[in-house]
Amino acid sequence: NAGVTQTPKFQVLKTGQSMTLQCAQDMNHEYMSWYRQDPGMGLRLIHYSVGAGITDQGEVPNGYNVSRSTTEDFPLRLLSAAPSQTSVYFCASSYSGTNSYNSPLHFGNGTRLTVT
Amino acid sequence: KNEVEQSPQNLTAQEGEFITINCSYSVGISALHWLQQHPGGGIVSLFMLSSGKKKHGRLIATINIQEKHSSLHITASHPRDSAVYICAVRSTSSGDKLTFGTGTRLAVRP
Repeated sequence: NAGVTQTPKFQVLKTGQSMTLQCAQDMNHEYMSWYRQDPGMGLRLIHYSVGAGITDQGEVPNGYNVSRSTTEDFPLRLLSAAPSQTSVYFCASSYSGTNSYNSPLHFGNGTRLTVT
Repeated sequence: KNEVEQSPQNLTAQEGEFITINCSYSVGISALHWLQQHPGGGIVSLFMLSSGKKKHGRLIATINIQEKHSSLHITASHPRDSAVYICAVRSTSSGDKLTFGTGTRLAVRP
């Protein structure tokens, strides 16, 4: 098992550019989520999904899009990058619903994004 | 007020000391997670609790559902325990979504 694979590790964008952060898991987890981590703040939920074809907004969804066409993949798209999106991004997965009660969280290694 | 509050925010200890990190929450929960993040590193799940107590090596996690409080204890602390410890809850009203505390930064000096 590779666990949660998140790419790239580092990225620098200019304001207005677009990009996709990739997240893949091989544990057949229903629940996948994207967070951003900023200094002095806890992890904040951007978008999440409880299964293929189902996505929903988290706490800070503006400026980000997601899709979940397969169980394994949950990409995060920045449509027009802004300096306020400079952050460290983490993808996480776990089992969902009644299976979530005994399911630990699995995190990717993070993507450090800088928007200039 | 945040749904999840951790204390202290920062903690410095001498090697060998017993350490306690606290997490209080204000919502009904189905599970509480303790996570560890080393500087510049990824996030690792330490414990998931819905009641009682769990132990793994020198780490012990407890939860009191009635008081909406959990503690993470580290016995015989070591410099390699230096990290940020994060509490997260899965609330009963928000499905699978998790809410995170801001973390406790622990430094253990040799």
